[in-house]
Amino acid sequence: GAGVSQSPSNKVTEKGKDVELRCDPISGHTALYWYRQRLGQGLEFLIYFQGNSAPDKSGLPSDRFSAERTGESVSTLTIQRTQQEDSAVYLCASSLTRGDYNEQFFGPGTRLTVL
Amino acid sequence: SQQGEEDPQALSIQEGENATMNCSYKTSINNLQWYRQNSGRGLVHLILIRSNEREKHSGRLRVTLDTSKKSSSLLITASRAADTASYFCAVGPGANSKLTFGKGITLSVRP
Repeated sequence: GAGVSQSPSNKVTEKGKDVELRCDPISGHTALYWYRQRLGQGLEFLIYFQGNSAPDKSGLPSDRFSAERTGESVSTLTIQRTQQEDSAVYLCASSLTRGDYNEQFFGPGTRLTVL
Repeated sequence: SQQGEEDPQALSIQEGENATMNCSYKTSINNLQWYRQNSGRGLVHLILIRSNEREKHSGRLRVTLDTSKKSSSLLITASRAADTASYFCAVGPGANSKLTFGKGITLSVRP
């Protein structure tokens, strides 16, 4: 594809429900990142995948959050038992390699609202 | 934390004026990047400057980096209404491409 795509673009859910967010990176990009952005705030790193290496999960805020990626393709971010504080825009980005100087290409994000 | 911190938090200027935004960070970095975000959605990469570079240009953008002061500035010359957006700096530690983003600067360019 031409860029990073994410789905759904908007998700409204009830507190306590599970949600799954999807990210399709740019073809050939080995690195994939998930970020969370609360209203008016900066980006909060969640998780980073690089090829077949073990993911860097250091940013996941709780064990309700998990993410998977198969090879160098699609990734899903799952939030279990959603809470109102999970409401945010979830952004996915990919980059070409794990080089030192590679820019990240962002998707449009998924706006999650937990009622 | 290496988090980039931007300054000011908000900036309002008239079209045609120059906009200067600053970023400070705390530890050694390998590179510093500036991104723009429109309407609270995806970010767009603007420019990357390496730790061994002092200045870089891209169109109307000029970025400087002072590693001794752990700071960077982004200058947008001859601003346009379309430059209205949030601007973020992000620092990269080197071997790991995980970037740490600041909270951003909201730039408003009045037509």
